[in-house]
Amino acid sequence: GAVVSQHPSWVICKSGTSVKIECRSLDFQATTMFWYRQFPKQSLMLMATSNEGSKATYEQGVEKDKFLINHASLTLSTLTVTSAHPEDSSFYICSADGERNTEAFFGQGTRLTVV
Amino acid sequence: AQTVTQSQPEMSVQEAETVTLSCTYDTSESDYYLFWYKQPPSRQMILVIRQEAYKQQNATENRFSVNFQKAAKSFSLKISDSQLGDAAMYFCAYRSNTGKLIFGQGTTLQVKP
Repeated sequence: GAVVSQHPSWVICKSGTSVKIECRSLDFQATTMFWYRQFPKQSLMLMATSNEGSKATYEQGVEKDKFLINHASLTLSTLTVTSAHPEDSSFYICSADGERNTEAFFGQGTRLTVV
Repeated sequence: AQTVTQSQPEMSVQEAETVTLSCTYDTSESDYYLFWYKQPPSRQMILVIRQEAYKQQNATENRFSVNFQKAAKSFSLKISDSQLGDAAMYFCAYRSNTGKLIFGQGTTLQVKP
């Protein structure tokens, strides 16, 4: 099956700083990637759809200036949390559609802790 | 807008027994995909089973099977011969024609030895 690699697995940053999370499709090209946020024992909430070569589409209530998404190549999408605050602490997961576009492949997730 | 509902926050099953997890959804689309994902403590999302809405036959993957009732918009997961490794959080998900996945609230499954 297709492999999606997410990096880093966990990160701790200070309030006010920015942190970048990478999502790579290792053995296939992904024109579309998705970014989710998950709080403990809760469901995955879609934050944005990342489209290669164009602007991301954000879900209602997600601050696009705070969560910057770049999808500059067919194998890499990045999520940058800018001016991080403790309430941004969460688990962030990316996914990419496989070549048949009928199944999503997930990264391992990134646990972000803002102190 | 599509919604997915899992009404069982927690379920418990004895090892080797069978358990069914419930899921209902709402959509106005006629063609879509439904999924069950497993999320163990590692939090890696693992695809358990997939169902295409245009297929009437229920999907089966080894010990996992679904009961797909399109008219009722119901999509339950049956786990047979439950194993300790099945313990995890299970999410029902709907894939819209835009590719977005909409997840249910999740069901935590406990497997007792």
